[in-house]
Amino acid sequence: GESVGLHLPTLSVQEGDNSIINCAYSNSASDYFIWYKQESGKGPQFIIDIRSNMDKRQGQRVTVLLNKTVKHLSLQIAATQPGDSAVYFCAENSGGSNYKLTFGKGTLLTVNP
Amino acid sequence: NAGVMQNPRHLVRRRGQEARLRCSPVKGHSHVYWYRQLPEEGLKFMVYLQKENIIDESGMPKERFSAEFPKEGPSILRIQQVVRGDSAAYFCASSPDGNSPLHFGNGTRLTVT
Repeated sequence: GESVGLHLPTLSVQEGDNSIINCAYSNSASDYFIWYKQESGKGPQFIIDIRSNMDKRQGQRVTVLLNKTVKHLSLQIAATQPGDSAVYFCAENSGGSNYKLTFGKGTLLTVNP
Repeated sequence: NAGVMQNPRHLVRRRGQEARLRCSPVKGHSHVYWYRQLPEEGLKFMVYLQKENIIDESGMPKERFSAEFPKEGPSILRIQQVVRGDSAAYFCASSPDGNSPLHFGNGTRLTVT
């Protein structure tokens, strides 16, 4: 759905803890999902992607889980570090094309040393 | 390897002036995309271009906005007769084809006074 553009959801964790960021996507026809990290003043940085024929995918310190039944996506970050502090966006290809992404509202992750 | 380069980083224009935003894709990428981000919102797709061709402009406002990606040189997003509502961050992304993950630049922040 459309973002209201008000306060971002926030998650505050201690350095070394695991972080889980959740996202509810909107279109049951979407078949490609991406997580991006955006630091202040910078563009979105690709973290990991997953296609709908998978329910889990792992990268370096990150895991993405996809639950198509409830249209839910999560990003797990292991051993969170201060450098992980950023806004995290999930995106889906609700337009059917992998370039026309619909971005979620974003979650602000703050890592406390 | 240089990523997506956008300039200027910040652009201030008075109402009624023209704004020209430039984007040089990752070397070897021939697919370019423009997205717009309002404060505390996710990015919204505007247009998808390949060299000398507009592939999908379904996210572009009908008036005042245009984009090009010439055979030589950067992609240009042009906004004529800017209004305050055009104030936003404009991000360019590129990819080697229409299905690979998008790599974003650091954006141009347009402020209309």
